[in-house]
Amino acid sequence: KQEVTQIPAALSVPEGENLVLNCSFTDSAIYNLQWFRQDPGKGLTSLLLIQSSQREQTSGRLNASLDKSSGRSTLYIAASQPGDSATYLCAADGSSNTGKLIFGQGTTLQVKP
Amino acid sequence: NAGVMQNPRHLVRRRGQEARLRCSPMKGHSHVYWYRQLPEEGLKFMVYLQKENIIDESGMPKERFSAEFPKEGPSILRIQQVVRGDSAAYFCASSPGQGAADTQYFGPGTRLTVL
Repeated sequence: KQEVTQIPAALSVPEGENLVLNCSFTDSAIYNLQWFRQDPGKGLTSLLLIQSSQREQTSGRLNASLDKSSGRSTLYIAASQPGDSATYLCAADGSSNTGKLIFGQGTTLQVKP
Repeated sequence: NAGVMQNPRHLVRRRGQEARLRCSPMKGHSHVYWYRQLPEEGLKFMVYLQKENIIDESGMPKERFSAEFPKEGPSILRIQQVVRGDSAAYFCASSPGQGAADTQYFGPGTRLTVL
C-alpha cells in the first residue's frame, strides 16, 4: 500500500532564499509523481509531473527530482518570493496505473518579504 | 478552455439531508476523479470514473456515498443522510486519458458543512 510523507510540515524563509521540499513514498513501483500547490480555501494547481522514467522536471524557478530507488522526490524553489507562499503537495499514483493519486500531508510554505 | 468546474462552491446541509456535488470536467476530458479533504487531513482518493463507468471506487465509504458520470452532463457525487463527519472539501479532477501519463487538473472544490 502506497504511503506518501512530506517533511517538513511547515517552513518559513526570507524572500530570495532557495529552498527544498521533501517527499518520500513507500512503494517504488510508481508510474509518476506530481507536485501541486494549494492556496488557502482554493483548489490545487498542478506544478510538475515526473514520469517514472524521468529523473527531473523543470518549470521556471521550480525543479522537481525523482529517485525511485530511494523512494524520494524533492521540489526545489529558486529565489523564493512572497507569492510562493502556499501549501505544496506531492502525490504518487497508487501503482495501479489508473491515475489514482496518493497525497502527502503537504508542506506549508511562508516566504517573508 | 474553461477549467474544471464544480458547483456549488459552498454547501450547507443539516444532518440527515442529501448533498449533491457536481463536477464538469475540462473540455475533451473523459476521466474524472473525486477526492476528499477532511479538516486537518490530506486529500484522500474516493472514486475514479469514465463516462457511464465506475473504474475504481476503492476510496468510497461503503454506505451513503455514490458517484456517477453520465453520458451527458456533469459527474455527480451524492451523499445521502449526511452526518457531521462528512464536513469536508470535496475536489474533482479530470484528465484527458487514463493513468500515469496525464496530469490531473483540479477544480476549486465544494466545501460541505453539515450542521
